[in-house]
Order: sequence, then C-alpha cells, then structure tokens
Amino acid sequence: QSALTQPASVSGSPGQSITISCTGTSSDIGGYNYVSWFQQHPGKAPKLIIYEVNNRPSGVPDRFSGSKSGNTASLTISGLQAEDESDYYCSSFTSSSTWVFGGGTKLTVL
Amino acid sequence: QVQLVESGGGVVQPGTSLRLSCAASGFAFSSYGMHWVRQAPGRGLEWVAVIWHDVNAKYYADSVKGRFTISRDNSKNTVYLQMNSLRAEDTAVYYCARDYRNGRNDYWGQGTLVTVSS
Repeated sequence: QSALTQPASVSGSPGQSITISCTGTSSDIGGYNYVSWFQQHPGKAPKLIIYEVNNRPSGVPDRFSGSKSGNTASLTISGLQAEDESDYYCSSFTSSSTWVFGGGTKLTVL
Repeated sequence: QVQLVESGGGVVQPGTSLRLSCAASGFAFSSYGMHWVRQAPGRGLEWVAVIWHDVNAKYYADSVKGRFTISRDNSKNTVYLQMNSLRAEDTAVYYCARDYRNGRNDYWGQGTLVTVSS
C-alpha cells in the first residue's frame, strides 16, 4: 500500500491554470476509475472536489476538473483564485479492496 | 443535514487501547460504507479502514491490520474504531467519512485527536 505520488508543491498566479498530478500503479489508479480529489484548508476536514476521476459534486466550481491517463490522475484548476490556496490530496481504490491517498500537494497562489 | 461527529480521542500510553466513535445523522446510515482516515500532525492523509453496509466486509491499511478493528451499529447510527496496541506513530487526528459510492467520500467529521505518548 504505497502512497500515490504527488508533487509536494505547485504555485500559480491568479487567473492562471495549474495541474496537480497523482501517480500510482496498475493496481490502483490504472485499474479503476475510482479516483477522488480532496481540498483541505489548515485545521479543517478534507472536502471532496472530484470523484470517479472527473465528476464534480454539486457546489464545486467548474474551474476544478479531473482526468486520468494510464496510472496517472490529474487535477486541473483553471482561473486560479486566492481562495484556492490549500492542500490537495488524491485517493484511489486498490486491487486489495483498500484505499490509498497521495502525499498531498500544497498549492500557493502567488 | 448530514452530520458526522467523532469522539473518543485523548492522550494514551503506548501499548494501550482506545475506541473511537463516529455518530452519524441526517441520512440512511445503514445504506452507506464508512471510512476512517487519519492525519498525523503536519502530515498528509492516511486511509485507515472501511466497513461496508454489509458488516462482514471490512478492510484495513497494512499499518493497522491486526491492531485496529472497525465496526458499526446500525441501530445507533454509529461506526467505531477499536485501536489496540497503540504506538507513537498512531498519533493523529482521526476522521470518519461517508462513502456515497466508489470512494466518493462526500461528508467528513471534524476529527478527533489521538495522542500516544509516554
């Protein structure tokens, strides 16, 4: 159950687009379309922003989008806003019927 | 509205036990899977365990297998995490989260802090 691999940090200016990658294996991301993304502000519980690779829960702006290619999933935030500055985590179902998170990515809005 | 409230955290010594509870309200609890996820201070999220609405279906992270037990009482709308043989590395905020379907963890509790220290 190795953690999925995410970049430790990414940054962008307001209005720009950024992409956060999440790399796993054929036993997790590559084998299932059960990839979720969470946003977590300091001291708060995680918030679901993408589920099943590319679906947004109601209330999540369409600036947030998800995709997957092979063993790598990606979260793209377009039209970056100051309030997007946060930690982001991916998660995936695995072939062991367990779940695994990525190490997390800190997004800084410059 | 959906609400998840964790309780039972505290400061305990290594080797001892603790039971966490997560009380759910606002939805048909017995129809959903429930997860426990933890976060060590300053660290990332770590998945701990899941129990599906079929109570015989339970799965654990390797780091807690054999020491932690997840269970649920649908009559009380509560999911539990029994933690035995606690180690310093189990120190974390423990969150419960609802699984709408396929890992769609759409609701989370506020978390309860467990500190394992001598």
